[in-house]
Amino acid sequence: QSALTQPRSVSGSPGQSVTVSCTGTTSDIGKFNYVSWYQQHPGKAPKLMIYDVSQRPSGVPDRFSGSKSGNTASLTISGLQAEDEADYYCCSYAGSYIEVFGGGTKVTVL
Amino acid sequence: EVQLVESGGGLVKPGGSLRLSCAASGFMFNNYQIDWVRQAPGKGLEWLSSISRNSGFVYYADSVKGRFTISRDNARDSAFLQMNSLRADDTAVYFCVRCSGFGWFDSWGQGTLVTVSS
Repeated sequence: QSALTQPRSVSGSPGQSVTVSCTGTTSDIGKFNYVSWYQQHPGKAPKLMIYDVSQRPSGVPDRFSGSKSGNTASLTISGLQAEDEADYYCCSYAGSYIEVFGGGTKVTVL
Repeated sequence: EVQLVESGGGLVKPGGSLRLSCAASGFMFNNYQIDWVRQAPGKGLEWLSSISRNSGFVYYADSVKGRFTISRDNARDSAFLQMNSLRADDTAVYFCVRCSGFGWFDSWGQGTLVTVSS
């Protein structure tokens, strides 16, 4: 049950695109198409942004998109906006009804 | 509106116990798996435990297996986390979450803070 690996921080200017990576193993991300992404503003509860690798819940802007290749999943934020500045966490199903989160990435809007 | 409200957090000494509660409203509670996730101060999210809709299946992270027990009462639209043998590294905000699929946590409570300190 090792945590997934995310970069500690990424940054971009308003209007730009940023991508947050999430690297796992052949036992989690590489094996299952059950990757989700969460946005967390300071002092708030996390919010589901992407599930099942690339599906967006109702109400999440379409500038948030998810993908996966091999053992690495990615969250891309296109047309970066000030309100996107937050911590982002990936999560993957790891089999045997166990879930594993990434360490989190701080997205900064310059 | 879907709501999950945690309670029961507080200050407890190492080796002590605490029981967290999660009160659900706004949805058919018995149709959903419920999980607990925690976040240590300044740290990331950690999945802890899940319980199936009818309590038939429960699962735990290795870090809490044998110390924490998850349960639910569908008649009261509530879930619980009994935490025993608490350690300093259990200090965290504990979130109750609604699970709609594998790793698909679509509703979160506001969290309750547990502090383990002498």
